[in-house]
Amino acid sequence: SAVISQKPSRDICQRGTSLTIQCQVDSQVTMMFWYRQQPGQSLTLIATANQGSEATYESGFVIDKFPISRPNLTFSTLTVSNMSPEDSSIYLCSVEDRGLDTGELFFGEGSRLTVL
Amino acid sequence: DQQVKQNSPSLSVQEGRISILNCDYTNSMFDYFLWYKKYPAEGPTFLISISSIKDKNEDGRFTVFLNKSAKHLSLHIVPSQPGDSAVYFCAASEGTYKYIFGTGTRLKVLA
Repeated sequence: SAVISQKPSRDICQRGTSLTIQCQVDSQVTMMFWYRQQPGQSLTLIATANQGSEATYESGFVIDKFPISRPNLTFSTLTVSNMSPEDSSIYLCSVEDRGLDTGELFFGEGSRLTVL
Repeated sequence: DQQVKQNSPSLSVQEGRISILNCDYTNSMFDYFLWYKKYPAEGPTFLISISSIKDKNEDGRFTVFLNKSAKHLSLHIVPSQPGDSAVYFCAASEGTYKYIFGTGTRLKVLA
């Protein structure tokens, strides 16, 4: 299994500011995923972070709003830019453990952002 | 359009009884399904999975049933324990890592 650490675990931010969330994995993984869970809603995939190439964004998410870095095989960051109250969510980093061949995703503890 | 639906936002069950959590999907191309459990302030953790070639998978107290014709899967927890109180998400994928999650069902097991 993979152990994933996310920072910060929570933050309160002002409208119009940006915040970067860090995700560290204890093993090398090819793909890392960023999910969002808005209050009362399901986990929604924002983008896939590939090492050595640009992130792949899902419909409804754009790079200008959610820039992602993936400098190596164990680390990624997600920035939430120009925040508004609608961005208040839990943001989760995830990796897939292909070794188990179950398609199981491992998640970090999440970063709870509140935008005032 | 919600491709994976968990229509019951919450469920309360007496300790020792069976908990049944339901999940419906609309995409007949989904071929892999997973259940996750989430405690407050923690990330989701994997519980059990099932491939579309099976109709049942069992792991200890947890059993997942898949009814492809009805596009329905369910998670059975027997016997339910207070530590099972959490939010349960079902997720489905179509042969890729791209999982679609339901909105979750909050299970409360009463002692």
